[in-house]
Amino acid sequence: GDQVEQSPSALSLHEGTSSALRCNFTTTTRSVQWFRQNSRGSLINLFYLASGTKENGRLKSAFDSKELYSTLHIRDAQLEDSGTYFCAAEDSGGSNAKLTFGKGTKLSVKS
Amino acid sequence: NSKVIQTPRYLVKGQGQKAKMRCIPEKGHPVVFWYQQNKNNEFKFLINFQNQEVLQQIDMTEKRFSAECPSNSPCSLEIQSSEAGDSALYLCASSLGGNTGQLYFGEGSKLTVL
Repeated sequence: GDQVEQSPSALSLHEGTSSALRCNFTTTTRSVQWFRQNSRGSLINLFYLASGTKENGRLKSAFDSKELYSTLHIRDAQLEDSGTYFCAAEDSGGSNAKLTFGKGTKLSVKS
Repeated sequence: NSKVIQTPRYLVKGQGQKAKMRCIPEKGHPVVFWYQQNKNNEFKFLINFQNQEVLQQIDMTEKRFSAECPSNSPCSLEIQSSEAGDSALYLCASSLGGNTGQLYFGEGSKLTVL
């Protein structure tokens, strides 16, 4: 099976509503990163977590390394939040290890 | 939010031709990664470097790709003999490494192999 299981695969939100994306990991993970990819292909790094939670504006992410999951909460969704969101897990085999990506959540925010 | 520069943005090659892409990592970032993203949005790790040294690479990269990160020059990824299945978005990312391993990606080079 996949090392990183991301859900849902697609999500549609109305402006102003909130939701959460989730990634489950099947193996020990040193850290997790969340990215948003726009239609041009540009990947923006949203969060890097080795543990705990981080918040940036309307986005909040959490990483539980013991329970092997991470979440990304989007509050008060705006049109510009549309895009494909990826989580990526850093392999536990030493520093600078490669990331394994989930298959993405395609988010559409509608007015 | 990234200052990783990738060129060219698009390239079109015939089967069997060489395809070369370049990447200038963010200033001060010693660790560079190359990923391949296919049309189904799946990411495949290809190779990573710390300064000029290869840290990890997959079998495909070792056999059909040539990659380097020379000092004072852009990093490069070259496919020696392009195949149709190589059509994808090639993404370069850099990081400070260690415990500050946040990756910053360039906009990618989209390769089409006819």
